[in-house]
Amino acid sequence: QVQLQESGPGLVKPSETLSLTCAVSGYSISSGYYWGWIRQPPGKGLEWIGSIYHSGSTYYNPSLKSRVTISVDTSKNQFSLKLSSVTAADTAVYYCARSYADIVVVPGIWGQGTMVTVSS
Amino acid sequence: EIVMTQSPATLSVSPGERATLSCRASQSVSSNLAWYQQKPGQPPRLLIYGASTRATGIPARFSGSGSGTEFTLTISSLQSEDFAVYYCQQYNNWPLTFGQGTKVEIK
Repeated sequence: QVQLQESGPGLVKPSETLSLTCAVSGYSISSGYYWGWIRQPPGKGLEWIGSIYHSGSTYYNPSLKSRVTISVDTSKNQFSLKLSSVTAADTAVYYCARSYADIVVVPGIWGQGTMVTVSS
Repeated sequence: EIVMTQSPATLSVSPGERATLSCRASQSVSSNLAWYQQKPGQPPRLLIYGASTRATGIPARFSGSGSGTEFTLTISSLQSEDFAVYYCQQYNNWPLTFGQGTKVEIK
């Protein structure tokens, strides 16, 4: 059974870099699928941040592209999100997810999410 | 960027009744449309992909239809566990985009 678990600081100061990691169990990241990040501000809807294919190709939301980096660490079977120059608008629950299938990019398996607050 | 618009924002339905949710895309997404269910404090759950294919383990009372720019999610007979927020998402083009959600509440 594939499981994903987000981890990282729950509080980040404005202008700093938000860094989160998603640990994957039950499946080897290098074997396939898209791995991505989605966020949800409190009381609001879902926003796709970006995805990385197991081959290393990355896809980012243009609204965040200049600040986002998604990478994979196959040795630890995890992938990461870095979001630079954060502001209060980046306060949200951050979810990591795996695509439903190798050729169906929609997020099909989700982590439980981690709340990140941007505040001084 | 493809804009997804869902209607209505809130749907009040009695248990056992049918619920019909709509999703419109600003340009054609072919059949590359997914539906999710989200309950408070939980991550979204994939219900439908390919506009009409149920994901693994999803009950048959959930069905999806449509193609191009107009899509519908139908819940044939609402159960108590179905009261939640529902999102559509297109995956025909990057960036992936979600609708703003429809809240299905108890009437």
